[in-house]
Amino acid sequence: EDQVTQSPEALRLQEGESSSLNCSYTVSGLRGLFWYRQDPGKGPEFLFTLYSAGEEKEKERLKATLTKKESFLHITAPKPEDSATYLCAVHQGAGGTSYGKLTFGQGTILTVHP
Amino acid sequence: GAGVSQSPSNKVTEKGKDVELRCDPISGHTALYWYRQSLGQGLEFLIYFQGNSAPDKSGLPSDRFSAERTGGSVSTLTIQRTQQEDSAVYLCASSLVVFNEQFFGPGTRLTVL
Repeated sequence: EDQVTQSPEALRLQEGESSSLNCSYTVSGLRGLFWYRQDPGKGPEFLFTLYSAGEEKEKERLKATLTKKESFLHITAPKPEDSATYLCAVHQGAGGTSYGKLTFGQGTILTVHP
Repeated sequence: GAGVSQSPSNKVTEKGKDVELRCDPISGHTALYWYRQSLGQGLEFLIYFQGNSAPDKSGLPSDRFSAERTGGSVSTLTIQRTQQEDSAVYLCASSLVVFNEQFFGPGTRLTVL
């Protein structure tokens, strides 16, 4: 069964203090790993898709990387507006019973203090 | 519209009543997905549509849940004889094709009293 584990569950940073969020996954035939940001009371907002080990993508202060077993979301010099829950999800390759679905981790709640 | 829209945004109902939740995907997106997010829980996959067909309904929690999609666009998730454990935020997402990134709507918060 697909498993996605995110750590830490919660992370408190000072503005400007860089850090990383981890997403470990177990899936047969990864078709994509996705990062989302979710603000309270809203639906998840798409950030990145990673398809193969070694791939990296960047957007403003965020950089996502992928290995064969995990993904990292690096946050450089975060600002208070980066505070949100960050979700990781995997898409299983064809052949599974529900290959259309994303399997999500529990998320990391990031709080950035000014 | 520019994004996925869902209605209603909030729904309060009494135990035993039926509810219908609506999702309007991004225009041109062929795949549509329903998820459920309970307090303190992660996102739980319910069902997806490729066009108007749902290849796999095994994610639906019970036979009280059903979903349909008509015209390759709007989808309705119906919950019959609602129970308190059905209280959650129901999220809809759409993607251009099945393995592309999914874009989520704002969700419908369902409260069953």
